[in-house]
Amino acid sequence: NAGVTQTPKFRVLKTGQSMTLLCAQDMNHEYMYWYRQDPGMGLRLIHYSVGEGTTAKGEVPDGYNVSRLKKQNFLLGLESAAPSQTSVYFCASSDPGQDYTEAFFGQGTRLTVV
Amino acid sequence: RKEVEQDPGPFNVPEGATVAFNCTYSNSASQSFFWYRQDCRKEPKLLMSVYSSGNEDGRFTAQLNRASQYISLLIRDSKLSDSATYLCVVSRGYKLSFGAGTTVTGRA
Repeated sequence: NAGVTQTPKFRVLKTGQSMTLLCAQDMNHEYMYWYRQDPGMGLRLIHYSVGEGTTAKGEVPDGYNVSRLKKQNFLLGLESAAPSQTSVYFCASSDPGQDYTEAFFGQGTRLTVV
Repeated sequence: RKEVEQDPGPFNVPEGATVAFNCTYSNSASQSFFWYRQDCRKEPKLLMSVYSSGNEDGRFTAQLNRASQYISLLIRDSKLSDSATYLCVVSRGYKLSFGAGTTVTGRA
């Protein structure tokens, strides 16, 4: 019963390096999201997708890109990592077909940029 | 102004006590409301949805006041296992807005 799976779970990058975080969900959800969580800030939306092949910017999109080529996968790319991108990243998915939509989260990726 | 605001706490709660805390939201067009629980270094998980009429789930009671734009969570007969951060979440369509969380720390 996988739900939402994120890889990797931990990563240390040097400033300027690039990487891709993978999110996979097996619940056939239409909506997928990438958030970052920093102390005292709550979860902030980076990018989101309302369906396969579509993506859109959230509150804090700068420095990140995303792709959703398959419905079950949502990739988050960091083109040139900066120390300000040190954070915990959560992927989530939800189904818009219900009145009260529960979002399911992956276990998070702890990223440190040095 | 943040879209969802919460008292960060911490609330230090003796076992068996009752604790309550609120969050306020700024967008009157918000449609759905939730409390999520987040344990240390874990992902958020849905605790309960919040309905206009109020709702209970065991020891947890949630209330929504649309006129004043606040949501409350009450925990009765607190357990040490209730120690966590409680996130207030409001949604409008696809958009979920999270509060920064209220930390509850149980004590024996």
